Amino acid sequence: KNEVEQSPQNLTAQEGEFITINCSYSVGISALHWLQQHPGGGIVSLFMLSSGKKKHGRLIATINIQEKHSSLHITASHPRDSAVYICAVSPTGADGLTFGKGTHLIIQP
Amino acid sequence: DVKVTQSSRYLVKRTGEKVFLECVQDMDHENMFWYRQDPGLGLRLIYFSYDVKMKEKGDIPEGYSVSREKKERFSLILESASTNQTSMYLCASSFWPSEQYFGPGTRLTVT
Repeated sequence: KNEVEQSPQNLTAQEGEFITINCSYSVGISALHWLQQHPGGGIVSLFMLSSGKKKHGRLIATINIQEKHSSLHITASHPRDSAVYICAVSPTGADGLTFGKGTHLIIQP
Repeated sequence: DVKVTQSSRYLVKRTGEKVFLECVQDMDHENMFWYRQDPGLGLRLIYFSYDVKMKEKGDIPEGYSVSREKKERFSLILESASTNQTSMYLCASSFWPSEQYFGPGTRLTVT
């Protein structure tokens, strides 16, 4: 069974700061997902990646398959980025996800 | 927009009751999933299905069963609800291989 570790568990930063959230996993995978959950809100998929790097607006996700490690970066952070960010992995891409415990991010104005 | 809907946002049931949670998706996705989310434990996979009438156990299937009679609908059944099944239940769907789309969740309380 894959173990997914995220760090940090909690992060408070000032508006405009560059944010990095890390994720490591123990067993080889076919895909890694980054998800966002706002307080009281549903879960939204931000990225699914199996190699390299993806960018969407101010969000960037990278993965290093050899090191079993991924990072989610937020540039020019904004209070609306405050949410829980969850890393999840999929062994084959078609089966269910194994999740990290999440990183609770607060961006203060 | 992909829509994944769940039958109830909040549900209160008594211990021993049979509980049905319904999930419907409108994007013709092959794969559907049921997860539960608990403070301190995060999200965990209960069951998933990759086709009609097909099902696979996830990490915590005990006390649950599922039904998928139509492609768009995936039901989670608590055969005899217990207090340790009080949780937030989330349904998701996807093509393979693709991102998963989550429903809004059902907060179930078993008293």
